[in-house]
Amino acid sequence: IAGITQAPTSQILAAGRRMTLRCTQDMRHNAMYWYRQDLGLGLRLIHYSNTAGTTGKGEVPDGYSVSRANTDDFPLTLASAVPSQTSVYFCASSDDRFPNEQYFGPGTRLTVT
Amino acid sequence: GNSVTQMEGPVTLSEEAFLTINCTYTATGYPSLFWYVQYPGEGLQLLLKATKADDKGSNKGFEATYRKETTSFHLEKGSVQVSDSAVYFCALTPGTGGFKTIFGAGTRLFVKA
Repeated sequence: IAGITQAPTSQILAAGRRMTLRCTQDMRHNAMYWYRQDLGLGLRLIHYSNTAGTTGKGEVPDGYSVSRANTDDFPLTLASAVPSQTSVYFCASSDDRFPNEQYFGPGTRLTVT
Repeated sequence: GNSVTQMEGPVTLSEEAFLTINCTYTATGYPSLFWYVQYPGEGLQLLLKATKADDKGSNKGFEATYRKETTSFHLEKGSVQVSDSAVYFCALTPGTGGFKTIFGAGTRLFVKA
């Protein structure tokens, strides 16, 4: 593994179903983030974690939850998916020495039908 | 509040043309400013940054100068290549503490051979 990996690459999900998007980094970064990318809106922060064991809400947290059991993994869960959650989801991380510089994963394209 | 405004795209240029993508911001305190680039099918990558007024960030032939008097951070390149075709995001992190990044909506650049 080099950098950040996300899984799955893409997914079609029926409304009402539960889904967990996976994110793993091997850079030992303390801070991790989840964004959604929608056309014309750029990237919006869903949740973040400053370090293992802590999480915080971003700009658009409703309908999503996260956990941070260890440094490397930061899964994002949709408890009951809705069509408005159709988006491309990016996980990112940053080094404490350069907290403003973020490294991004390749993204997960999610379609909720 | 904090916000970033970018020129709408898409921007279409011929190879070797001069590129400018405008970015203006609103922020409290003294933010750090960034340009990220997203190539097709990939996550965002940090392109360049500037952390204080009059700083010039540069990378891969791209430049941007932090202009506090005009609250701008315009991206420029003297001679674009087909491989520069991508989406460019202007971003800031507030100077008032924390490291949440605020992204603009993105500007898509197409470069024709």
